[in-house]
Amino acid sequence: EPEVTQTPSHQVTQMGQEVILRCVPISNHLYFYWYRQILGQKVEFLVSFYNNEISEKSEIFDDQFSVERPDGSNFTLKIRSTKLEDSAMYFCASSARADGYNYNEQFFGPGTRLTVL
Amino acid sequence: GENVEQHPSTLSVQEGDSAVIKCTYSDSASNYFPWYKQELGKRPQLIIDIRSNVGEKKDQRIAVTLNKTAKHFSLHITETQPEDSAVYFCAASPLISNFGNEKLTFGTGTRLTIIP
Repeated sequence: EPEVTQTPSHQVTQMGQEVILRCVPISNHLYFYWYRQILGQKVEFLVSFYNNEISEKSEIFDDQFSVERPDGSNFTLKIRSTKLEDSAMYFCASSARADGYNYNEQFFGPGTRLTVL
Repeated sequence: GENVEQHPSTLSVQEGDSAVIKCTYSDSASNYFPWYKQELGKRPQLIIDIRSNVGEKKDQRIAVTLNKTAKHFSLHITETQPEDSAVYFCAASPLISNFGNEKLTFGTGTRLTIIP
């Protein structure tokens, strides 16, 4: 069964450094998302992406964040200048286009644990 | 925006008994309600979902009920087994059209422990 993959599994960085988290969505999916989960808390929406542009973003997704689909397979999340509070598990998700009654399950990747020191 | 409340935050159940987790939501535009299971250190995985034109859905030992008037939905797990131990998240989404794909707003999670 196809799965969403993410790299790296764990990223440690110094405060103020830039990080890029990478995701490979399921190949025929059209909608892409980033969520984050601070340790022990709920999963929070960051951004959704469709047709090469951002569909929606949350308040968390400020100017320090950006997303890109640089080629036909990768979907990246960049944090320009990391802060301590950016430490979290970041999940990429993807879904297919809804088709009538077969609405669109979001499939999650295994996550990247980002630790900002 | 949407706000999803989930209760209880922790739940311990004797193996073989039933477990019920409840969620409420605030946005009447929400019409898609998935439940995700997350084992320790792993990705959330969809276990069951329901759309607002359906009141109940069942898949083997798992069922979900939806009361759209009251804006609440519940997960029911019967004949619980040790492998059911995990954190369960409810979520809501305003799937506005067949071609839209909106964000998921998650509840705060329920840590379910099955006692052998």
